[in-house]
Amino acid sequence: DAGITQSPRHKVTETGTPVTLRCHQTENHRYMYWYRQDPGHGLRLIHYSYGVKDTDKGEVSDGYSVSRSKTEDFLLTLESATSSQTSVYFCAISEYDTQYFGPGTRLTVL
Amino acid sequence: LAKTTQPISMDSYEGQEVNITCSHNNIATNDYITWYQQFPSQGPRFIIQGYKTKVTNEVASLFIPADRKSSTLSLPRVSLSDTAVYYCLVGDVLQDDKIIFGKGTRLHILP
Repeated sequence: DAGITQSPRHKVTETGTPVTLRCHQTENHRYMYWYRQDPGHGLRLIHYSYGVKDTDKGEVSDGYSVSRSKTEDFLLTLESATSSQTSVYFCAISEYDTQYFGPGTRLTVL
Repeated sequence: LAKTTQPISMDSYEGQEVNITCSHNNIATNDYITWYQQFPSQGPRFIIQGYKTKVTNEVASLFIPADRKSSTLSLPRVSLSDTAVYYCLVGDVLQDDKIIFGKGTRLHILP
């Protein structure tokens, strides 16, 4: 399996609280992605990065921000979590052709 | 990015061959077709990728007709462990910065 880890794996937080999820890779891949997955919606792209400090929005970016200060780490931040952001979050990496996914983070916002 | 359409769900039985078809009428010249598999509580996993005709690996086969407006993922002799969601994606693997997943096909294998 590709060297991708996500932390934390599970988190419960309260509405209005800031939350940061971390994705770490050991593959030195250029591209990194954050997706969320909800029942009935499949995987939806939140943000992605095509290099250090180079990021762009996906289809559901409202309420989320990202940062990539070094190749191996891609952070997803919920500035003020809402219940609608309760979801499973997947990080993925790629070097053009194939995406490799992390194990996911289950986030519950109460 | 070409839009894809695939069945929401399918049922089959152990030992059968399963074919999942994906429509992508506006596929572009440089687009490849890629299939992923996702088990519950796991991230998607690459299965197979192709451009035209037929591609086969140890897991599946991918059939792509000459007009490339559709593709069929074929899983030979499925087992219960093949129960998963299967995603069809179409895009230019060398140019596209992002890959958009649809809702996929939920395949349920029965004993």
